[in-house]
Amino acid sequence: DVKVTQSSRYLVKRTGEKVFLECVQDMDHENMFWYRQDPGLGLRLIYFSYDVKMKEKGDIPEGYSVSREKKERFSLILESASTNQTSMYLCASGSWEQLNYGYTFGSGTRLTVV
Amino acid sequence: AQRVTQPEKLLSVFKGAPVELKCNYSYSGSPELFWYVQYSRQRLQLLLRHISRESIKGFTADLNKGETSFHLKKPFAQEEDSAMYYCALSAISGYSGGGADGLTFGKGTHLIIQP
Repeated sequence: DVKVTQSSRYLVKRTGEKVFLECVQDMDHENMFWYRQDPGLGLRLIYFSYDVKMKEKGDIPEGYSVSREKKERFSLILESASTNQTSMYLCASGSWEQLNYGYTFGSGTRLTVV
Repeated sequence: AQRVTQPEKLLSVFKGAPVELKCNYSYSGSPELFWYVQYSRQRLQLLLRHISRESIKGFTADLNKGETSFHLKKPFAQEEDSAMYYCALSAISGYSGGGADGLTFGKGTHLIIQP
């Protein structure tokens, strides 16, 4: 069973802090994604990566950056957290050969910026 | 750019009644379409995908390219179907070396099944 693990379930950070959200998958998937989920807005793609050290901007990359130094790990970085980044963050991964099967999501990290 | 529209934020039906969750898309290419479900306090999970033409938990969805729709249907709703449902589209492009561009999600429909 594919596992996508997000290191924190809940995080509370102060405005201006640098925040790291970590995601690890154990199925050797090439593709990894970061979404944020907000009521009434659904899921919006922040960044994605299709290979180690590769990254592409999604629909709402402003205020975020990412890092993929190893295939299994994809980190989302909030350089200077702001209150409008309070949200549920979901990580997902998928194999290129099996994109038709959809992606596997982590349990999410609920980030509150105060 | 692709877009997925789920016109209903909330849908409430009685147990045993038919359910239809609407999904429309816009995409110039040939899309891959999915329905994802999120039950209370659980992770988002794949419910079904159009390419497999399968029925999962009694749900089916047919891709109608003429109407650019991918509505999710179930003939008899059950209380355990109460959840958040998201329609999603995968647009696989070649510019990223064959990688995926990520799924585009609709805003979701909250389905409530009343006893």
